[in-house]
Amino acid sequence: ETGVTQSPTHLIKTRGQQVTLRCSSQSGHNTVSWYQQALGQGPQFIFQYYREEENGRGNFPPRFSGLQFPNYSSELNVNALELDDSALYLCASSLFGTYTGELFFGEGSRLTVL
Amino acid sequence: GQQLNQSPQSMFIQEGEDVSMNCTSSSIFNTWLWYKQDPGEGPVLLIALYKAGELTSNGRLTAQFGITRKDSFLNISASIPSDVGIYFCAGLSSQGNLIFGKGTKLSVKP
Repeated sequence: ETGVTQSPTHLIKTRGQQVTLRCSSQSGHNTVSWYQQALGQGPQFIFQYYREEENGRGNFPPRFSGLQFPNYSSELNVNALELDDSALYLCASSLFGTYTGELFFGEGSRLTVL
Repeated sequence: GQQLNQSPQSMFIQEGEDVSMNCTSSSIFNTWLWYKQDPGEGPVLLIALYKAGELTSNGRLTAQFGITRKDSFLNISASIPSDVGIYFCAGLSSQGNLIFGKGTKLSVKP
């Protein structure tokens, strides 16, 4: 059984640039959610995808967007990067997560915006 | 918005000690969960609680879902060095996403 994998693990961007982060869900999991974890904080919900459609969104601006593909993998795109976007971005997959809260997280992509 | 308050923010343990941490909310949750995050890793689920008043164990870990549905606690008995890490409580929102606390950081006493 393959766990959740994310890429890249680390990246550095400058203000105003765009970034794409990728996630492969755990085998058999059809739901992917993305969380932002600032230093010293708990993860904050960005959005969730089920069957290639966004089906839940947290308090993040539209410049945060995503995709889910037929194989359940997912991308998080952030446009017009700001310094405050520096954080660990966590992807989590689940089968019944919206009912049970049981999520399987990847190791995250650490984004630094200069 | 909904917020979870975890306490303590940090604590130091000596091997063999029992540890207790808790989490409170201004809102009701019907599901409470506890996750642990090691450095450089994503959070890992420890215990999930689905019923008010429920007491659930997972090895040396015991968690309770408060009867008011606004709080939960986690106990770790006979701590070992690998218990070090950050423990997060989380409530499952009506939207189906998790709302996390800020975490309790467990470190080893020098």
